[in-house]
Amino acid sequence: SFVLSQPPSVSVAPGKTATITCGEVNIGNTGVHWYQQKSGQAPVLVISSDSDRPSGIPDRFSGSKSGNTATLTISRVEAVDDADYYCQVWDGNSDLYVFGPGTKVTVL
Amino acid sequence: QVQLVQSETEVQKPGSSVKVSCRASGGPFTGISISWVRQAPGQGLEWMGRVIPILGLDKYAQPFEGRVKITADRSTRTVFMELSGLTFGDTAVYYCARGSTPTYFFDYWGQGTLITVSA
Repeated sequence: SFVLSQPPSVSVAPGKTATITCGEVNIGNTGVHWYQQKSGQAPVLVISSDSDRPSGIPDRFSGSKSGNTATLTISRVEAVDDADYYCQVWDGNSDLYVFGPGTKVTVL
Repeated sequence: QVQLVQSETEVQKPGSSVKVSCRASGGPFTGISISWVRQAPGQGLEWMGRVIPILGLDKYAQPFEGRVKITADRSTRTVFMELSGLTFGDTAVYYCARGSTPTYFFDYWGQGTLITVSA
């Protein structure tokens, strides 16, 4: 089954770009989804199926995937982007869902 | 507007069971799954299992096999998660989340239910 890896933390200044990676050997064979979770709140889907942005999510959020790594990019970072970010995949062989360990994004 | 509304905070004793509900309003109840995801204090998200309400089909993550049961009542559009043999390690916020097919992401989440296991 999938074991996803993410950096524990990323620090970024306002107005700059934050990049969060999600790695796994077989990640190229499945869609990767990203969630934002602010303190004390439920997660919110920000990117689905590698690079689709749900309605209502600012276009500062974008996703991509290359080889064994998926990437969530937050451009023109704002203070409101300070949150935990999780990647997630579905393992079609076992019909199980897997979350990455999460990345804490701190806006300086 | 899709909403998932969960039952309230509970305190349970070690060794007991807890049953949490998640009522879905708005949107279809077919063609979807409802999963339960828990988050221990200061920890990440952990997928526990899911049910496909229209079929009653359930599936569980290995750490919870034999200890969790997820069921759906189609008449009330409510999904239940029952966790037995509670330990202090089960203290967490439990979320229900709607899963789409065939894309398998969670597009709507409940507000979370805090379950505290305390003697």
